[in-house]
Amino acid sequence: VQLVESGGGLVQPGGSLRLSCAASGFSFEDSAMHWVRQAPGKGLEWVSDINWSSSRIDYADSVRGRFTISRDNAENSLYLQMNSLRTEDTALYYCTKASSAYPGIIDYWGQGTLVTVSS
Amino acid sequence: DIQMTQSPSSLSASVGDRVTITCQASHDISNYLNWYQQKPGKAPKLLIYDASNLETGVPSRFSGSGSGTDFTFTISNLQPEDIAAYYCQQYGDRLTFGGGTKVEIK
Repeated sequence: VQLVESGGGLVQPGGSLRLSCAASGFSFEDSAMHWVRQAPGKGLEWVSDINWSSSRIDYADSVRGRFTISRDNAENSLYLQMNSLRTEDTALYYCTKASSAYPGIIDYWGQGTLVTVSS
Repeated sequence: DIQMTQSPSSLSASVGDRVTITCQASHDISNYLNWYQQKPGKAPKLLIYDASNLETGVPSRFSGSGSGTDFTFTISNLQPEDIAAYYCQQYGDRLTFGGGTKVEIK
């Protein structure tokens, strides 16, 4: 299993970024996926998840209305569109795979992509 | 939302010691509780799922127990390679992580 995030960088408050995650080594089209973030020196925070068919999507209250999760099963890719970014969104963003048994169990993590929101 | 209270936030123990971390949920989550290990500069790794099930390949010195609102994670024989932060995570209602416990060697 390999999860490779990209798209992070430095952005000003109010700006936008689109994160991508390239997945390989497992049946992506059958797997639920999550984004989890970690602010510098802080703990883990769940951001969003999407089921295999994109029919069920959920967001943390802290990002609802600003972030949009999506996936392209033909391209084995997961995305996170982040708009209206705030300084408190600064974090390492992990693309993660949910267990085939239960979508609430995260069994694989990428290495993360760093998002810095600063003027 | 379900809140997860994890304690202690940090601990220092000697090699060979038994280490215990607790996690309390604000509501009943049955056994929908996982434990992760995060070594410095690395991504987290699943150790225990559904409160007490050891993930494949994880050493047997790691264990978990509990149900409902109170959960315990134990390292029975602390090794130098166990230096890490440990997080509980519930999935009874969406996902929430505990605040983490940093484990150091004395």
